[in-house]
Amino acid sequence: GAVVSQHPSWVICKSGTSVKIECRSLDFQATTMFWYRQFPKQSLMLMATSNEGSKATYEQGVEKDKFLINHASLTLSTLTVTSAHPEDSSFYICSAKQGADTEAFFGQGTRLTVV
Amino acid sequence: GQNIDQPTEMTATEGAIVQINCTYQTSGFNGLFWYQQHAGEAPTFLSYNVLDGLEEKGRFSSFLSRSKGYSYLLLKELQMKDSASYLCASMDSNYQLIWGAGTKLIIKP
Repeated sequence: GAVVSQHPSWVICKSGTSVKIECRSLDFQATTMFWYRQFPKQSLMLMATSNEGSKATYEQGVEKDKFLINHASLTLSTLTVTSAHPEDSSFYICSAKQGADTEAFFGQGTRLTVV
Repeated sequence: GQNIDQPTEMTATEGAIVQINCTYQTSGFNGLFWYQQHAGEAPTFLSYNVLDGLEEKGRFSSFLSRSKGYSYLLLKELQMKDSASYLCASMDSNYQLIWGAGTKLIIKP
């Protein structure tokens, strides 16, 4: 299957700082990327959907000014958590798909801890 | 509304067979996915069903009944490494995945 690389795998940051998470498709053109958040023992919650070259579409309840998503190329999308707070601590996962393909491929996930 | 239901936890014995059920209600339907997720890791794709019937892939099989809004994942010859959470996800009319909460499968020797 296609490979999606997410970086970093884990990060610890101080409250009030910003953290950037990268999601790269290594061997296909990711026209659509999805960003999820998963709290312990809970399901994946879709945060936003981004199409290359367009502004991301955020799910209800997700602050677009706090979770900045950039999808400027067909192989890279970034999620920046601005002014992070301890309640933002979570597992963030990206997935990417090409064109009208139904299957999306997941990155490895990023464990964010805000202290 | 949109809803995916699957059991929270199941326990099975190594070498045995286990069936994990999933019922779904989504706005439109473009297929049913099963993913495996080990603790602290991202989900791994297992299967995709869009037509009724059983799809077999090695030790894992997945079944779909669109009229009943029902799917199951069947795992045979269970191994200890199969201990994980199994996520059911339905793709709605907008091609978005609606996720179940996952079934934690515990394998005992």
